[in-house]
Amino acid sequence: DAGVTQSPTHLIKTRGQQVTLRCSPKSGHDTVSWYQQALGQGPQFIFQYYEEEERQRGNFPDRFSGHQFPNYSSELNVNALLLGDSALYLCASSHVRGLRADTQYFGPGTRLTVL
Amino acid sequence: AQKITQTQPGMFVQEKEAVTLDCTYDTSDQSYGLFWYKQPSSGEMIFLIYLGSYDDQNATEGRYSLNFQKARKSANLVISASQLGDSAMYFCAMILYSSASKIIFGSGTRLSIRP
Repeated sequence: DAGVTQSPTHLIKTRGQQVTLRCSPKSGHDTVSWYQQALGQGPQFIFQYYEEEERQRGNFPDRFSGHQFPNYSSELNVNALLLGDSALYLCASSHVRGLRADTQYFGPGTRLTVL
Repeated sequence: AQKITQTQPGMFVQEKEAVTLDCTYDTSDQSYGLFWYKQPSSGEMIFLIYLGSYDDQNATEGRYSLNFQKARKSANLVISASQLGDSAMYFCAMILYSSASKIIFGSGTRLSIRP
């Protein structure tokens, strides 16, 4: 049973560029959440996708956008990259039953460096 | 305001001893869940233990126990018989079911096990 997978593992971009990160949820999960973890800090919630729609969003600018596909996989897009976007980006998947969610399982993350 | 507070930035413990990692939370929601995650240097967030706000007993998963004191709004993690492999960052997190399963993380505690 495959867990949550993310690609790429590492990425180096320059300021102003755009980046797309990818996530495949754990088998049986239908909800994907994205988090940004800056060095030495806890993860910060970016947004969550369920049934191909953004269900909840954290305090992140519109430069951060996402998408969920019919197979439940998801992409995180960041436009106009800033140095401060350098971080570990974590994807988590879960299975929503009504308003409650099972435990969120995390992928290994994508480490983004913006130069 | 919804918040998780971990007051111990770092801890050193002798191998085979028990250790308690502190966590307090703040929410006005009645329905929430509390998690502990372990993050080794590789970056992946590993689920350890969960307890819901309506649970009336502490949770135990192997060597991990979640000591839940609702009146004090605390959810401490106890690791019994610590091992060298327990050295990692530990994050306390809260899930708010009224907010589409958004997870809020604390700032983490770095645990180092001495041989």
